[in-house]
Amino acid sequence: DAKTTQPNSMESNEEEPVHLPCNHSTISGTDYIHWYRQLPSQGPEYVIHGLTSNVNNRMASLAIAEDRKSSTLILHRATLRDAAVYYCILRDFSGSARQLTFGSGTQLTVLP
Amino acid sequence: DSGVTQTPKHLITATGQRVTLRCSPRSGDLSVYWYQQSLDQGLQFLIQYYNGEERAKGNILERFSAQQFPDLHSELNLSSLELGDSALYFCASSVGFSNQPQHFGDGTRLSIL
Repeated sequence: DAKTTQPNSMESNEEEPVHLPCNHSTISGTDYIHWYRQLPSQGPEYVIHGLTSNVNNRMASLAIAEDRKSSTLILHRATLRDAAVYYCILRDFSGSARQLTFGSGTQLTVLP
Repeated sequence: DSGVTQTPKHLITATGQRVTLRCSPRSGDLSVYWYQQSLDQGLQFLIQYYNGEERAKGNILERFSAQQFPDLHSELNLSSLELGDSALYFCASSVGFSNQPQHFGDGTRLSIL
């Protein structure tokens, strides 16, 4: 599986935007970029995914670089509830990789 | 609420024992995945079932086994438990397999004394 690299930790102030980066220089043409997050004492939660174009949903936006070697998860207004570990994961949509391969993720701290 | 139910929430047992963890997937989801989260190994995939059949295996020990029943609920059986098996065990479900998002339960915390 292609690997991703994320910063170990980031801090943000409440109600400000947060940009969480992810590098995936060995991404293949059949890899989707998925983001999950894990709040304290909970299971991981799906956030967003995309292939080439930027994507928006009610939780976040995903900005994908033109060469697809990096992406950024954008939380438009961070709240205290957004404090979590954020995982950037590549998934091969050709069907060979069914499981999620979690790295160490980015621990996001939101300051009041 | 993800719609995935895991029971029990907590389990405390002793080395050498056997336990069964249960997972009820979201309504309509045919795939069930099991993951283990420990402090030193992070979140690791164990095994996946799709509509009752095993579809993928990860780092699952031979002492562990799982099955998915006709009503689509799944059970993870852990036997000859060791101290190192203490971890959070998560179940996730998805509509099919491949690229669909997975929805996770809140996990079962297993403590081996």
